[in-house]
Amino acid sequence: DTGVSQNPRHKITKRGQNVTFRCDPISEHNRLYWYRQTLGQGPEFLTYFQNEAQLEKSRLLSDRFSAERPKGSFSTLEIQRTEQGDSAMYLCASSKGQLTGELFFGEGSRLTVL
Amino acid sequence: AQKITQTQPGMFVQEKEAVTLDCTYDTSDPSYGLFWYKQPSSGEMIFLIYQGSYDQQNATEGRYSLNFQKARKSANLVISASQLGDSAMYFCAMREARSNDYKLSFGAGTTVTVRA
Repeated sequence: DTGVSQNPRHKITKRGQNVTFRCDPISEHNRLYWYRQTLGQGPEFLTYFQNEAQLEKSRLLSDRFSAERPKGSFSTLEIQRTEQGDSAMYLCASSKGQLTGELFFGEGSRLTVL
Repeated sequence: AQKITQTQPGMFVQEKEAVTLDCTYDTSDPSYGLFWYKQPSSGEMIFLIYQGSYDQQNATEGRYSLNFQKARKSANLVISASQLGDSAMYFCAMREARSNDYKLSFGAGTTVTVRA
């Protein structure tokens, strides 16, 4: 069990650029979640996948955000035309989809938009 | 509407003493789960303890215990014998069974600083 892996851990970009984050979940976990966390706040749900299907998207996920999970394994979160307000920690989590089971989180990808 | 409320932005505790972190929640779903996570300055979210809505007894995990008061919709975390390594941000979270996504909704968190 290698845990949930996210990369890059840190990304600094200029406003207007596109960025992509990758998440590798725990291998037997069929559910994958993306959250966003701003400084001093709790994580906010963005979107989730069950296997390769994206089943729910938060209203926080504007048209500039897109997430994929091809083949139900790793996932990518792309932000197009970044804005300073996109600066945050992007957390990925996975689970087996059990009601009582916790989400296993990666260490996050911190985005700074200049 | 805010589902999880943590009213203490920050707390100081003396090493070896106990500390209680408050959490209240709001749901009409009779089946739900409550979770506490720890987030050190390094950023990873570490699962601490879980309480199911139908569990009769309060959950305990080592130095962590959950004071579950269902009628008051309260799920406070108690950390006993605080250690310097307990300094971190702590989040209360809830999962509602009726939402098949099983996502967690988090509170704003409480920062705990343990003093030597």
